[in-house]
Order: sequence, then C-alpha cells, then structure tokens
Amino acid sequence: DTAVSQTPKYLVTQMGNDKSIKCEQNLGHDTMYWYKQDSKKFLKIMFSYNNKELIINETVPNRFSPKSPDKAHLNLHINSLELGDSAVYFCASSLGGRQNTGELFFGEGSRLTVL
Amino acid sequence: AQTVTQSQPEMSVQEAETVTLSCTYDTSESDYYLFWYKQPPSRQMILVIRQEAYKQQNATENRFSVNFQKAAKSFSLKISDSQLGDAAMYFCAYRMNRDDKIIFGKGTRLHILP
Repeated sequence: DTAVSQTPKYLVTQMGNDKSIKCEQNLGHDTMYWYKQDSKKFLKIMFSYNNKELIINETVPNRFSPKSPDKAHLNLHINSLELGDSAVYFCASSLGGRQNTGELFFGEGSRLTVL
Repeated sequence: AQTVTQSQPEMSVQEAETVTLSCTYDTSESDYYLFWYKQPPSRQMILVIRQEAYKQQNATENRFSVNFQKAAKSFSLKISDSQLGDAAMYFCAYRMNRDDKIIFGKGTRLHILP
C-alpha cells in the first residue's frame, strides 16, 4: 500500500491551461504539504494544511490554490499555467505537532511540464 | 528567518570509502529537528536520518551517522563503506519544534565511483 500517493505522476500541458494534482495519504497524519522542486532540484515549501486548515502559505502566486476536503487529502489546482510552473510537485505528510519529530513522508512527485 | 546551507553542490567518493556531506543552518531557536533526506534518480524522497536538537548524542543508522555541533549550527552526514546505491541527491532539512514548517538546503549530488 502506497503511504502517500499523488496523481498524475506526469502532466504535460499548454500555457494558459488549468490543471490539478491530487494527493492522498493513508498514514493517519494530520499535516499535509505541497513542495515544488525546480530544475536545479531546489525544494521549496508552498503550502501546509493541518486537519483541513491552511497553516503555511508561502509566497506563491494566487494562481495556485490548495484544497483539503479532509485530512487525508490535499489537492493542488493551478490556473493559467505559465512556463515557470514547470517543476516536480511533491506532496508530503507528517504527524505534525510539538510531540512528534515531524519527519516528512513524500509522494513520488508529479512532474509538470508546461509548453 | 531560518536557512539551511549545503556548500557542496557535488561530491564523489570511491566505492567502499567514507564520505562526509556538510550542512549548516541558521536559527535563533533552541528546540528543533534536523534531517537528511536522500533522493535517488527514481525521484522518491527517503528519510536517511534525523536528529533532535536537545539530544547531544549523534544519531546513527547503520552506515549513516551525523556529526551534530549545536553551537556551530553544523549537521554533517557521514556515509561509511559507500555503495553504488548511495548515489543520489542528499538534502539537509530543518524543522522548528513550534511549527510544522520544514525547510531544505539546496542539496548535494553524490556520485559513487566503482
């Protein structure tokens, strides 16, 4: 059983389109994240949700909108895609909270290519 | 703001030898966690080792160990008896205990020479 799964794994689309990436975790974790990994492999946090509540929102364009219907799911919707959005997007989850080490469990990543 | 710095973009080591990857971080917090993650060509991010800042003892996981110097804000990863499967990007990461934000260094690409 995959602990953190995200779909699709590969996505090729035209500039200006709208696309979504879905993420689900079956670890019972309270906190979920979206990270963006650019072509230089730099991993940057975008968003974090704890029990469906947005708790971290880094400086990300408004075209990116996360949605968490329940604590096991965190989806990422991107409007009006731009060339610079091409990257690998990682979903991750953790137990979160002060009592836990907070290590991240990652999905396999979704490679988005904008043409 | 907290930052994590990995000063070695790439390193190479002969198979079966030992290699040390460097990581420094900047924080005014006293309670935090540090991690090393591995990303092989498959792209999957895998936790290698973690260290709680309040523990003085360096963490060890089989061939992987860390040298945690809290005063110097240094957290290096030592890989002993390097194997071909160790070839990957290695990321150092930091998390404050009082929130769930985990920030990463820019990574070190490790090559294993047969």
